[in-house]
Amino acid sequence: GENVEQHPSTLSVQEGDSAVIKCTYSDSASNYFPWYKQELGKGPQLIIDIRSNVGEKKDQRIAVTLNKTAKHFSLHITETQPEDSAVYFCAATFGNQFYFGTGTSLTVIP
Amino acid sequence: EAGVVQSPRYKIIEKKQPVAFWCNPISGHNTLYWYLQNLGQGPELLIRYENEEAVDDSQLPKDRFSAERLKGVDSTLKIQPAELGDSAVYLCASSLGVGDTDTQYFGPGTRLTVL
Repeated sequence: GENVEQHPSTLSVQEGDSAVIKCTYSDSASNYFPWYKQELGKGPQLIIDIRSNVGEKKDQRIAVTLNKTAKHFSLHITETQPEDSAVYFCAATFGNQFYFGTGTSLTVIP
Repeated sequence: EAGVVQSPRYKIIEKKQPVAFWCNPISGHNTLYWYLQNLGQGPELLIRYENEEAVDDSQLPKDRFSAERLKGVDSTLKIQPAELGDSAVYLCASSLGVGDTDTQYFGPGTRLTVL
């Protein structure tokens, strides 16, 4: 199966700064890479995703980059706000199964 | 559009008792997933349904866990008997079921505490 590693496990940034979370995966056949945000007491919520035929995707302050050769992808959040504080999970798909990273707890300090 | 609905949101039981969780997926979503999420970890798949058929239950501890998805819509996950180590959040997710780049949408989860 797939193995997804996520770094860092915790991240603190000042409001307005950028945050970057990185994930690596093991199976070169993986072709879909979603990112989820999970707030306390809630289920994971999809915030952005990227498919293997695209190298970068942006949605307002959030962007994801994918390097298929190196088998890693990253989440970039610019102009961070306190409401961005949450746990972020990356995932990679192999077949119909999602394999999740271990999560990054992001704290945005006002 | 309503999201994935789960109930109950919280459940506290004593060990060796049975417990059941219910999930109603997004309307029109053929694929339904049950995940286990331990504290500080990402979700781990327990079982995946395509309509009413369980197509991947390799990670489901079948000695005490069971699941069903009658009529291919709602689903129930049961634990009998519960053990202390079963304390976790149980997440349900659904997707359209159109392929291996299918987006999954999660419910709020059921937090189970076994005493």
